[in-house]
Amino acid sequence: AQSVTQPDIHITVSEGASLELRCNYSYGATPYLFWYVQSPGQGLQLLLKYFSGDTLVQGIKGFEAEFKRSQSSFNLRKPSVHWSDAAEYFCAVVGGSYIPTFGRGTSLIVHP
Amino acid sequence: NAGVTQTPKFRILKIGQSMTLQCTQDMNHNYMYWYRQDPGMGLKLIYYSVGAGITDKGEVPNGYNVSRSTTEDFPLRLELAAPSQTSVYFCASNDRESGANVLTFGAGSRLTVL
Repeated sequence: AQSVTQPDIHITVSEGASLELRCNYSYGATPYLFWYVQSPGQGLQLLLKYFSGDTLVQGIKGFEAEFKRSQSSFNLRKPSVHWSDAAEYFCAVVGGSYIPTFGRGTSLIVHP
Repeated sequence: NAGVTQTPKFRILKIGQSMTLQCTQDMNHNYMYWYRQDPGMGLKLIYYSVGAGITDKGEVPNGYNVSRSTTEDFPLRLELAAPSQTSVYFCASNDRESGANVLTFGAGSRLTVL
């Protein structure tokens, strides 16, 4: 069975600072990996995805993520955070069952 | 292109009442899902469907039922509402055949059971 761990429930950063949100997965092979973002009162929107190939993937809103097979990780990064990035971020994995499994989410708080 | 539409957006139920959360998608996706979201718990899969007439249980199916009579619609039924079903419910769909596996989500339905 597949699983996803997001170890940080909350992350607080200052506007303009860099950001890294952690995601670790458990699966026997290389899964499909995703990051979604949820703004308050909204549904989830895809930020970026990894299927194969280049392990550094670019997404919307200036976000990127790096797949590291040796660490079973898919951490999300952004070099300079904007106040509008405050939201809930979810990492998700799709393995052999093709059913998406989500982490518990990380809430990003941005201080001015 | 509306995507995934959920109704209602908000609902308050009394214990023991029944209701149906509606979900419709206009993207001709075969795969549809119902998740519930509770604070700090992420999204838990309730039921999913791989096509019209085919449904299967997810991680937390107890207290819920679903049907899939058409490709477009995937309603979620709560038969005897309990306080533990207070949550935000999300419907989602994707097109697995294309290999995308990217979920399109509805805006959510916030349910409170008192």
